[in-house]
Amino acid sequence: DAKTTQPNSMESNEEEPVHLPCNHSTISGTDYIHWYRQLPSQGPEYVIHGLTSNVNNRMASLAIAEDRKSSTLILHRATLRDAAVYYCILPIQGAQKLVFGQGTRLTINP
Amino acid sequence: KAGVTQTPRYLIKTRGQQVTLSCSPISGHRSVSWYQQTPGQGLQFLFEYFSETQRNKGNFPGRFSGRQFSNSRSEMNVSTLELGDSALYLCASSLVGRSTDTQYFGPGTRLTVL
Repeated sequence: DAKTTQPNSMESNEEEPVHLPCNHSTISGTDYIHWYRQLPSQGPEYVIHGLTSNVNNRMASLAIAEDRKSSTLILHRATLRDAAVYYCILPIQGAQKLVFGQGTRLTINP
Repeated sequence: KAGVTQTPRYLIKTRGQQVTLSCSPISGHRSVSWYQQTPGQGLQFLFEYFSETQRNKGNFPGRFSGRQFSNSRSEMNVSTLELGDSALYLCASSLVGRSTDTQYFGPGTRLTVL
């Protein structure tokens, strides 16, 4: 199973952009990159996913390196509500199974 | 559209007892997965059901079991509870359970074993 590596924690200020990195050097050509986040006292929620091209949605943007060995989740203007643990995941091929690492705990300062 | 619901939200049991947790997926979703979250081990996959069949299983002892009904609702059961089973149990549903499908998580059931 392809593994991901993320920083344990990051800190940013409200209304500033946040760039959350993820390394996945053993990614295969067909692995999608998914991001989920878990707000305090809630279940994880889907943020965004992509394969090769950069992706945007109303919550965030996902920038994928050309060699696909790393990606960056971008929150364009962080709010206090974005304080959460962010998980970068490569879903296992052929299985509906998410392998969660430790994720990045994002703190947003007012 | 209603989200994933889990009942009960909180549960307190004693060692040796058994417990059944329930999960109602989003309408139209046929795949249901279960996860255990503890401070020490983080989020770990338990099992996944699709069309009433268990398709994938995580590395948990046989005391952990589950089932899925024809309406896609799912239950998980833990027998002979141990203190280490205290955790947040999360259920997630997706359309058909492809690896690229988005999983939608419920709020979880917080189980405390005394």
